[in-house]
Amino acid sequence: EAGVAQSPRYKIIEKRQSVAFWCNPISGHATLYWYQQILGQGPKLLIQFQNNGVVDDSQLPKDRFSAERLKGVDSTLKIQPAKLEDSAVYLCASSLAPGEQYFGPGTRLTVT
Amino acid sequence: AQTVTQSQPEMSVQEAETVTLSCTYDTSESDYYLFWYKQPPSRQMILVIRQEAYKQQNATENRFSVNFQKAAKSFSLKISDSQLGDAAMYFCAYLAVNDYKLSFGAGTTVTVRA
Repeated sequence: EAGVAQSPRYKIIEKRQSVAFWCNPISGHATLYWYQQILGQGPKLLIQFQNNGVVDDSQLPKDRFSAERLKGVDSTLKIQPAKLEDSAVYLCASSLAPGEQYFGPGTRLTVT
Repeated sequence: AQTVTQSQPEMSVQEAETVTLSCTYDTSESDYYLFWYKQPPSRQMILVIRQEAYKQQNATENRFSVNFQKAAKSFSLKISDSQLGDAAMYFCAYLAVNDYKLSFGAGTTVTVRA
């Protein structure tokens, strides 16, 4: 079974630029999550989708972050404009049932 | 909001020895899951072990076992016969059954000495 795929693995941008990350969940997994993990900390949930609907985006900084999951499969997370404090690893996860979240390899973003 | 606390930023263990990582959590829910995840330098978050709150029996996965104390809201991980490949950051996480949302602790870095 293929795992959660994410791209790119690394991205370096200057502040005020925009960036987008892509996630392909495990086939059949209805729930998709985006997490932000700042160096030295645990992941923090940004947004949770159930199929193509948003379940929870209370921690998403909506003035600069946006996410979509068209057709209930792939998802993209966008940051525009980026700030220095957005430097982090962005993890995507998917699940079929509670208690079974599978994570992708993450995208390391550096904002200079 | 649920709080997960890992009080040990770093732990070091000799190869083949045993190390125990601590985790406490705060919740008013009665039905939930607890997890230990391993994150090596590759950043891939790997599920090590899972405990369902309604099960009194402690979960075990090969060399990994937990000590789940529900009344004390404590969930420690024991790594037996430590191997060099066990070196990683370990995160304790909580998930309430009714909201699917994982809350993570700050992590414990485990170093294995050869």
